[in-house]
Amino acid sequence: AQSVAQPEDQVNVAEGNPLTVKCTYSVSGNPYLFWYVQYPNRGLQFLLKYITGDNLVKGSYGFEAEFNKSQTSFHLKKPSALVSDSALYFCAVTGTGFQKLVFGTGTRLLVSP
Amino acid sequence: GAVVSQHPSWVICKSGTSVKIECRSLDFQATTMFWYRQFPKQSLMLMATSNEGSKATYEQGVEKDKFLINHASLTLSTLTVTSAHPEDSSFYICSARGREAFFGQGTRLTVV
Repeated sequence: AQSVAQPEDQVNVAEGNPLTVKCTYSVSGNPYLFWYVQYPNRGLQFLLKYITGDNLVKGSYGFEAEFNKSQTSFHLKKPSALVSDSALYFCAVTGTGFQKLVFGTGTRLLVSP
Repeated sequence: GAVVSQHPSWVICKSGTSVKIECRSLDFQATTMFWYRQFPKQSLMLMATSNEGSKATYEQGVEKDKFLINHASLTLSTLTVTSAHPEDSSFYICSARGREAFFGQGTRLTVV
């Protein structure tokens, strides 16, 4: 069965500092990995995905994520955080055949001015 | 990018009534749509997979007679919460599958 773990309920970072939001996964076969962001009372917005190819994936709003197969991780990163990045971030995984997405529990990112 | 429109954004209904939520893929055909439920400060829980022209596949523990799903066309799936109760109050989100999953804006349902 597929699963995703986001070990941190909340991440606090000062504006301008780099940020990392952690995600590890478990799936049979090759993983398809995604990051989504959710603002209050809104749906999910796609940030980036890893299907195949380069381990470092660049996405929207300056975010990037690194796929690490040996550590089964897909951490979300940004070199310089903005206050407007404050939101709820979800990591998700699906397996070969792209069936249903399984989401992590979410990590709340709080960027302070 | 592809757009998924979900309507209404929020709804308040009386206990015992039914509420219908629509999910439309605006610029692509979606043979498969997904319905999720999100509890406060929790992750998204997949409720069911909606397949155009066939019955939906419900996840374990989800009452199919309470959460009716219809996927009559390639661009529209509906979720009807029947005989709603306060415990059905939640945030419901639909998703349509293309190369990746696109999500609707969500519907905040409050049952009073």
